Amino acid sequence: DAGITQSPRHKVTETGTPVTLRCHQTENHRYMYWYRQDPGHGLRLIHYSYGVKDTDKGEVSDGYSVSRSKTEDFLLTLESATSSQTSVYFCATGGGNTGELFFGEGSRLTVL
Amino acid sequence: GENVEQHPSTLSVQEGDSAVIKCTYSDSASNYFPWYKQELGKRPQLIIDIRSNVGEKKDQRIAVTLNKTAKHFSLHITETQPEDSAVYFCAAAYSGYSTLTFGKGTMLLVSP
Repeated sequence: DAGITQSPRHKVTETGTPVTLRCHQTENHRYMYWYRQDPGHGLRLIHYSYGVKDTDKGEVSDGYSVSRSKTEDFLLTLESATSSQTSVYFCATGGGNTGELFFGEGSRLTVL
Repeated sequence: GENVEQHPSTLSVQEGDSAVIKCTYSDSASNYFPWYKQELGKRPQLIIDIRSNVGEKKDQRIAVTLNKTAKHFSLHITETQPEDSAVYFCAAAYSGYSTLTFGKGTMLLVSP
């Protein structure tokens, strides 16, 4: 499982509150990704990182920010959560020459 | 950017039958095509991938074919078993230059 842990695994919050999801890896993979999974939409990339302090936007980045201050940690922040951000969020690592992505177990976020 | 279309969205088969899932992609530069399997409540996991320098790849009961001219690739599962029931995602990328773009997924149901 490439030593990827996500926290929290489940969170319920209210509209307008800030939320931070954490992804921690122990494999020293250079690349880290945040995806959201919604019925009928598959897996959509939010942001990704290709090194410490190096990040870039994915296809659904509005309303999200990320930070990577250490190789092993990639944080996803919702500055002011909205109901449309209710989703399952997956962190993934890898994406190097082999191309394989290793996913975390997912974090289910509900915004009321 | 890349756009990946996946069909069908759901597929029901009897145990022992074959199943085929098809994907098309838009960016002719894409050269890496993985397939991920996601069991209910679990994380997506890579089951097979193919690169553009080959037309077919097999691994026991699963195979992937690629037609670069037509820009489509397919997953073939033979002798299906109930444990093959899951959501399958195809994806495409220009390896080393772009992130993976996923299809919306196919829910495969294998009935005993």
